Amino acid sequence: AQTVTQSQPEMSVQEAETVTLSCTYDTSESDYYLFWYKQPPSRQMILVIRQEAYKQQNATENRFSVNFQKAAKSFSLKISDSQLGDAAMYFCAYRSREYGNKLVFGAGTILRVKS
Amino acid sequence: GAVVSQHPSRVICKSGTSVKIECRSLDFQATTMFWYRQFPKQSLMLMATSNEGSKATYEQGVEKDKFLINHASLTLSTLTVTSAHPEDSSFYICSARDVLGLSYEQYFGPGTRLTVT
Repeated sequence: AQTVTQSQPEMSVQEAETVTLSCTYDTSESDYYLFWYKQPPSRQMILVIRQEAYKQQNATENRFSVNFQKAAKSFSLKISDSQLGDAAMYFCAYRSREYGNKLVFGAGTILRVKS
Repeated sequence: GAVVSQHPSRVICKSGTSVKIECRSLDFQATTMFWYRQFPKQSLMLMATSNEGSKATYEQGVEKDKFLINHASLTLSTLTVTSAHPEDSSFYICSARDVLGLSYEQYFGPGTRLTVT
């Protein structure tokens, strides 16, 4: 079964600094998608970044970038120039056709940003 | 684009009563909608997958008779919590998948906080 592991329950970062959130997953499939979602205090889920497994190039979205290591089944999120508005719960998620295209979420990492 | 709404945003009901939560895709059609449950500081737990015009598929351990799901149109799915009890108090989130999209992207609603007293 597909599992997604986020080993950092909480992380802290100073404003303007860089932080990396870790995520590993377990799958036997070769074609899948990986996501990072942000859930701020409003609890609205917001898609931060998406990575297709067949693409070797790491996805980037402004200050957010990923380090996708397919062989190691690792998918970390780097947030550069952290801002107060980045404070949220971050979920790593996996999706594949073989699992009915349903999202499998990790346990989440609470990110605190210090001013 | 791709906006999903939920109504109500929060609801308080008495133990033993039923409560209905609506999930609507506002600017796209969704053949598939998903219902999640989330406890404080925990992850989203998929409860069921709702397909327009057919019966919902429930995840293991989710009581079908407790959580009734209806997906009557391409823009509306409802979750009814029947005979609610305090342990059903939680945050319920729906998401919808665009029928025309090839990416199977899910768009999330803002959630509904249910409190059973």
